[in-house]
Amino acid sequence: AQSVAQPEDQVNVAEGNPLTVKCTYSVSGNPYLFWYVQYPNRGLQFLLKYITGDNLVKGSYGFEAEFNKSQTSFHLKKPSALVSDSALYFCAVSRNFNKFYFGSGTKLNVKP
Amino acid sequence: DSGVTQTPKHLITATGQRVTLRCSPRSGDLSVYWYQQSLDQGLQFLIQYYNGEERAKGNILERFSAQQFPDLHSELNLSSLELGDSALYFCASSSQTVSGNTIYFGEGSWLTVV
Repeated sequence: AQSVAQPEDQVNVAEGNPLTVKCTYSVSGNPYLFWYVQYPNRGLQFLLKYITGDNLVKGSYGFEAEFNKSQTSFHLKKPSALVSDSALYFCAVSRNFNKFYFGSGTKLNVKP
Repeated sequence: DSGVTQTPKHLITATGQRVTLRCSPRSGDLSVYWYQQSLDQGLQFLIQYYNGEERAKGNILERFSAQQFPDLHSELNLSSLELGDSALYFCASSSQTVSGNTIYFGEGSWLTVV
């Protein structure tokens, strides 16, 4: 069975500080991992993905994520948070691109 | 703009009624996915179609059905609606190419059952 866990319902960070949003996954075989962001009353927007290759993946808006196979994690990071980064972030995993399993979401609050 | 179009954006209907949500995928995408997002259950995968055929099924109720038409647009039919069906319904599409897939979401259809 495939699943994704986002252990933090909410992450609070001050503007300008680095941020991390955590994601761990469980999947048989090689995982395909994704991060999406959702702003209020909007659809999910694709941020970045890991399919294969370099464990550090760079995506939109200065976000990056590191794939760690031994820890089955795919944490989202940004060196310097902006107030406009405040949103709901979803991690997702897929093994065959037929089903994408999403985590429960983490609300990121960036305070000025 | 993801290129995935969903209509209607908002819908209010009564219990027991039936509604149809429509989705037009991104140009060239053969796969369509439907998701339900509610406050208490997060983002739930309902069903996936690929080039007109059902490819994967998730937590879709028997009262719900979907199809993908030859022009690749998809419809999600919700019948005998209950208050608990109130949610945001998302459609997403992907090309499912070998190079690594990404699903792109529409803006969603807000369904309120009263």
